[in-house]
Amino acid sequence: EAQVTQNPRYLITVTGKKLTVTCSQNMNHEYMSWYRQDPGLGLRQIYYSMNVEVTDKGDVPEGYKVSRKEKRNFPLILESPSPNQTSLYFCASSRKWDSYEQYFGPGTRLTVT
Amino acid sequence: GQQLNQSPQSMFIQEGEDVSMNCTSSSIFNTWLWYKQDPGEGPVLLIALYKAGELTSNGRLTAQFGITRKDSFLNISASIPSDVGIYFCAGQLLSGGSNYKLTFGKGTLLTVNP
Repeated sequence: EAQVTQNPRYLITVTGKKLTVTCSQNMNHEYMSWYRQDPGLGLRQIYYSMNVEVTDKGDVPEGYKVSRKEKRNFPLILESPSPNQTSLYFCASSRKWDSYEQYFGPGTRLTVT
Repeated sequence: GQQLNQSPQSMFIQEGEDVSMNCTSSSIFNTWLWYKQDPGEGPVLLIALYKAGELTSNGRLTAQFGITRKDSFLNISASIPSDVGIYFCAGQLLSGGSNYKLTFGKGTLLTVNP
């Protein structure tokens, strides 16, 4: 089944404790992206990657890092999480950078205390 | 960043009614997408529009790409309880440079009363 998977689905952590949220897609998509969803703010892009080893900042990149060493994986790294990063996170992928039909993962709900 | 104004923010309707929602922007978009998000799930693509004036249907859903390229609407006919969810519009700006990303509206929360 073609899908985007994320792990973990739920995470509660404390301020300053480094964490990684994994994202993997099995569709051989070139383009991958991370979003955060907050009440009243909709979906905002954090980082995106047009292909392996090519990443760029989205609208809200502060406090986050990403890497794209393999085509299928695009982990999101929070080196020192803070409470304002409490949010619902979605990974998405599309066939190419100019194929705007993005497919979303199921989401990761992160709480930073 | 660019903003999409999506309205209404929420709707509460009776089963069987038709629904209409729209997105507008001060900027020109070359692609409009409509997504639906069910509770606890990620957004799922409903309809994609690539040409100004394009009218596309997907079952009971119909969406149009505005002639001015600055707006789009989504209609749902004969609503049913499973239509409940948040509907998002998303657009790709018509601009040069490395703007390889979508801009999302803030969503319309639809509630359908059986």
